[in-house]
Amino acid sequence: ILNVEQSPQSLHVQEGDSTNFTCSFPSSNFYALHWYRWETAKSPEALFVMTLNGDEKKKGRISATLNTKEGYSYLYIKGSQPEDSATYLCAFKGGSSNTGKLIFGQGTTLQVKP
Amino acid sequence: DSGVTQTPKHLITATGQRVTLRCSPRSGDLSVYWYQQSLDQGLQFLIQYYNGEERAKGNILERFSAQQFPDLHSELNLSSLELGDSALYFCASSGPGLAELDTQYFGPGTRLTVL
Repeated sequence: ILNVEQSPQSLHVQEGDSTNFTCSFPSSNFYALHWYRWETAKSPEALFVMTLNGDEKKKGRISATLNTKEGYSYLYIKGSQPEDSATYLCAFKGGSSNTGKLIFGQGTTLQVKP
Repeated sequence: DSGVTQTPKHLITATGQRVTLRCSPRSGDLSVYWYQQSLDQGLQFLIQYYNGEERAKGNILERFSAQQFPDLHSELNLSSLELGDSALYFCASSGPGLAELDTQYFGPGTRLTVL
């Protein structure tokens, strides 16, 4: 059974704080790691797809790093804003077959207080 | 708006009944995925179709089935419903190729309540 773990489960920060959270995934048979942002009452929205060890991706104030050898990825948010409040999901894609099956973590729920 | 549409938005039904959830992928996407989000679980992959053919299967119950039609829309059929089937069901699409790096775009979901 493949496990994708995210920590912490939830996080409360003040506006302007920088924050980061972790996604752990199997280090064998890795193909890609996806990050999604999921706001309440909306659908998950794609942030990044990461494939290479050492990869770093950035979108505005949000960035992510990837370590496939040890099986983890960090998501960073610089200068959090209330509109960043959402659940952040990571999803692991194994490389054993040509399918798009993603295994999701439980998510980290971020609340940013003004 | 991701471009993926799902109907209905909400569905309330009784145990033992059968329902059909519908999904239309983004224009040009050939892959459709179904996921289930229960209260105490993360997003669980159910099944993937690519251009009308089943491509991958997750922990989908035998009471559940899906298909993708020639116009690429997909339906998820849930039968002999149980209380535990109450969940948010998402459809996602990607493509047009089968590239494993393809981002999956999620629809708004169908919330199923079984009473």
